[in-house]
This record gives sequence, C-alpha cells and structure tokens, in this order.
Amino acid sequence: EAQVTQNPRYLITVTGKKLTVTCSQNMNHEYMSWYRQDPGLGLRQIYYSMNVEVTDKGDVPEGYKVSRKEKRNFPLILESPSPNQTSLYFCASKTGQGGKETQYFGPGTRLLVL
Amino acid sequence: EDQVTQSPEALRLQEGESSSLNCSYTVSGLRGLFWYRQDPGKGPEFLFTLYSAGEEKEKERLKATLTKKESFLHITAPKPEDSATYLCAVRPVSGGYNKLIFGAGTRLAVHP
Repeated sequence: EAQVTQNPRYLITVTGKKLTVTCSQNMNHEYMSWYRQDPGLGLRQIYYSMNVEVTDKGDVPEGYKVSRKEKRNFPLILESPSPNQTSLYFCASKTGQGGKETQYFGPGTRLLVL
Repeated sequence: EDQVTQSPEALRLQEGESSSLNCSYTVSGLRGLFWYRQDPGKGPEFLFTLYSAGEEKEKERLKATLTKKESFLHITAPKPEDSATYLCAVRPVSGGYNKLIFGAGTRLAVHP
C-alpha cells in the first residue's frame, strides 16, 4: 500500500528540548516536503526536498532543519522548540513535476511545546 | 503577493442539497490548482488538479471547475460521508514546481 508515515503522531515537549519527527514514504518519490497547519492559516510549507541531499526553504523555515540522506526518509528537526511551533505537522511526497502529479500526505504529527 | 481565499469558512447542508465551494486566487501566473479533502485527524487526500481556465474534473458527486480568478468545487446531492474540510491550493509559476499555497479550507457538514 502506497503511504507516507510519520512518527510520533502526538508529542508534548518543553521549550528548548531538541526533537525529531520522522517521515518515510514507500513510493520511491523524489520530492518530499513538510507543512505545518494552524487554524485559520491553512497549510504552510516549511522545507522541501527535490532529491537526496537536495533541500530548500519553504515559506516558514525559521526554527526548523531537515535532512535527506535517503530517498525514502525526510526527518524534520526542531533544535530548540518554542511555544510558537505548537502546531499540526504534515509530511508529503509526490512524483516528479507537473503532468499527472499527485501529492500524498502523511497522517500528521500534533506537537505541543510548553 | 500570491494568495488563496476559500469561502465559505463553514457550510452546513442537508443530505441531497447541492452547493458549491469557492476558491479565489491571485497569483502572478498559475501552474496548477489543486483540491484536497481532509478528514478530522488525517492528512489531506488529493482530489483534483486543474491546469487551465475552462478545465473541469469530476469524481462521483464532486466536480471542480476553473476560471482565471477562481475555482469552484460543486457537490451534487451530497451524502453525510462527504462531510470533511475541503482545501484548495495553487502552484504559482514564480515558485517553480515546488511551491504550493493553500487556502484555509471550507468545513462541510452534511446532515441526514
């Protein structure tokens, strides 16, 4: 079954404690990205990756890091989380560019930073 | 500035009562417009992609249309299982193939 998985699904942490949210896809997609979803603001792109070792900033990258060492994995790292990073996070992957592209989203990770 | 606005924020329908959701956008150039469905506690699920004005796509009770300034998601004779949040997103030419700008969504509730 084609899917994007994220772990953990729920996380409560404290300000300044480094954390990593993992994302993995089994579709051999080159493109992966991270979004955060906040009420009234919609989904906003944090970082994206076009392939292994190729990453770039989205619209709201401050306070986040990513890495893409393997094609299937794209972890999101919060080095020093702050309360304004409390949000619902989604990882997504898609095939190539344009044409009949379809973007698949993971189930989401709900993060609370105290 | 590229922007996507969805209306209404929330919509309540009776089963069988057809209606439309609106997605209006302002972008320097449109590379694609996407509709997603999101159920509570889940990630968005892809529905349609539209690329040019006049294009239409259909899937079961849903039909998406596109003009140069907006897109509509028409829901014909909805059922309770169509209840979800519907998200619209645009891919502006300025962002290449990597950027998606999402609207805040329309929460649809269909009651029996």
